Amino acid sequence: QQPVQSPQAVILREGEDAVINCSSSKALYSVHWYRQKHGEAPVFLMILLKGGEQKGHEKISASFNEKKQQSSLYLTASQLSYSGTYFCGTEDNAGNMLTFGGGTRLMVKP
Amino acid sequence: DTGVSQNPRHKITKRGQNVTFRCDPISEHNRLYWYRQTLGQGPEFLTYFQNEAQLEKSRLLSDRFSAERPKGSFSTLEIQRTEQGDSAMYLCASSLGKNIQYFGAGTRLSVL
Repeated sequence: QQPVQSPQAVILREGEDAVINCSSSKALYSVHWYRQKHGEAPVFLMILLKGGEQKGHEKISASFNEKKQQSSLYLTASQLSYSGTYFCGTEDNAGNMLTFGGGTRLMVKP
Repeated sequence: DTGVSQNPRHKITKRGQNVTFRCDPISEHNRLYWYRQTLGQGPEFLTYFQNEAQLEKSRLLSDRFSAERPKGSFSTLEIQRTEQGDSAMYLCASSLGKNIQYFGAGTRLSVL
């Protein structure tokens, strides 16, 4: 079952902040965040592992609540380049595969 | 450019024809994954390889879909007897072990 992302879409002005949420019904081993622009490959942003380890870009922050099977991606001081669709991919304890959510479309306006 | 290369970028075919896509992963990556992405949706996992071994293929959409990675380097995804419902973006990703997956730009398939 795929994780649920919220909101489905958000429009920001440059400099504003946003939070994108990802929720799963399964116990998770890791959460991966990607951004995809139209017609391009998904680009890795952040990986959060059970136990607290994180790897990702310095300007991106995220949290992972293992008990609630939830993750949030925090985008601060948004720039025009942040526009795109954000996907979370979740990995459960059993597997080696990512299950992606339906995406959150983010548009940053000048 | 992530270093994962997919060819062709676009493929137009007629219903009933067979198609094959190629993925060249980042050279030192031992894992290779195939996903399908339809418009407005997230990538959907199909199968993955560790070196030349295909460790998960139960998610392939039907027996018309098959994948190979014969020497543990590049991989091919074949769809036989294509149907209009197969129209989608087919994405490949690679990783070093159970780690960050880097995606290619995909092959867009249109079945007429």
